[in-house]
Amino acid sequence: ETGVTQSPTHLIKTRGQQVTLRCSSQSGHNTVSWYQQALGQGPQFIFQYYREEENGRGNFPPRFSGLQFPNYSSELNVNALELDDSALYLCASSPGQGSSPLHFGNGTRLTVT
Amino acid sequence: GENVEQHPSTLSVQEGDSAVIKCTYSDSASNYFPWYKQELGKGPQLIIDIRSNVGEKKDQRIAVTLNKTAKHFSLHITETQPEDSAVYFCAASRGDTGFQKLVFGTGTRLLVSP
Repeated sequence: ETGVTQSPTHLIKTRGQQVTLRCSSQSGHNTVSWYQQALGQGPQFIFQYYREEENGRGNFPPRFSGLQFPNYSSELNVNALELDDSALYLCASSPGQGSSPLHFGNGTRLTVT
Repeated sequence: GENVEQHPSTLSVQEGDSAVIKCTYSDSASNYFPWYKQELGKGPQLIIDIRSNVGEKKDQRIAVTLNKTAKHFSLHITETQPEDSAVYFCAASRGDTGFQKLVFGTGTRLLVSP
């Protein structure tokens, strides 16, 4: 059984640029969620995708957007990068949209300079 | 919205001792409470979870207790080993919104000394 995989592992961008992060969900999981983890903090919910639709969103501005594909993989896009966007971005998949256990990937470390 | 507080922020124990981490939550509608272990350079790993219709759950050396009245839940690790050293996060979510939003605590850094 393949777990959640994310790419790239590290990324450095300049303020104002755009970035796309990718995630492959665990086999059999149809729901993908994205979280942002600042250094020394717990992860914060960005949004969740189920059946290619965003079905829940946290307190993040519209410049954070996503996609889910028919194979349940997902992308997180961030436009107009700000210094405070520097963080570990975590993707998690689950077998359902409700209170199903979330399984996280190892994340993408984004640094904005 | 939901707020989850976690204590202590750091915990140092000797190998073989027990470790207890405590969390409180604010939203009485929360009904799912997972615990995650995060090692350096890795994503959070689910180690145990509990739902609101259960008061206690155990898996080998790990146990979680839930007190719905007081809105707090705890992680208990017995016979700690150096490989238990990591950051532990508690989280809470409610199941009535059609999606799962985990609200995490601020983490506990556990150090187990040989």
